[in-house]
Amino acid sequence: EVQLVESGGGLVKPGGSLRLSCAASGFTFSTWSMNWVRQAPGKGLEWVSSISSSSSYIYYADSLKGRFTISRDNAKNSLYLQMNSLRAEDTAVYYCARDNNSGYYMDVWGKGTTVTVSS
Amino acid sequence: DIQMTQSPSSLSASVGDRVTITCRASQSISSYLNWYQQKPGKAPKLLIYTASSLQSGVPSRFSGSGSGTDFTLTISSLQPEDFATYYCQQSYSSPKYTFGQGTKLEIK
Repeated sequence: EVQLVESGGGLVKPGGSLRLSCAASGFTFSTWSMNWVRQAPGKGLEWVSSISSSSSYIYYADSLKGRFTISRDNAKNSLYLQMNSLRAEDTAVYYCARDNNSGYYMDVWGKGTTVTVSS
Repeated sequence: DIQMTQSPSSLSASVGDRVTITCRASQSISSYLNWYQQKPGKAPKLLIYTASSLQSGVPSRFSGSGSGTDFTLTISSLQPEDFATYYCQQSYSSPKYTFGQGTKLEIK
């Protein structure tokens, strides 16, 4: 079964850091681009970042202003999101999603991990 | 940046109704438009990709159409499990994706 499982969310104070992980299984992780998408409470979906299969191409939403770093370890079938200088507005459920390289859409999603930034 | 605008923001309908949700892009995106369904507390689920292609396993009552700037998602006969929030997403500027604000489909 194709599956993505996020972890690493939690409560963090403003200005703090957190590292999210996404474990992939059931498909050849190393051949797929991956994304992080977030959803603030009661709000819509916001694309956060993308990374190509070999990490050669990395993209971020302009709103992040260099605070987040996406990475992957293909040997471990894992995707990561390092989040620094966290703000209250970063509070959200964070989803990892597989990018269908040929069709430009996200065809597999994890269940998400919740990040709460509060003092 | 490409902006996506959905209408309506919310919609009440009954089981068996035919429902249409629209999505408009701020510039032409060809057919690079996808639709997702999200139920409360769950991850989004891909329904339609590249404007009109039905994702595997998605019921045929769902269909998509459009190109350029104007797109529609149609549910031909609403079923109880279809009450959810629907999002359009442009992939013209892939991978810098943009989502619409969502359309909440509620039971009348």
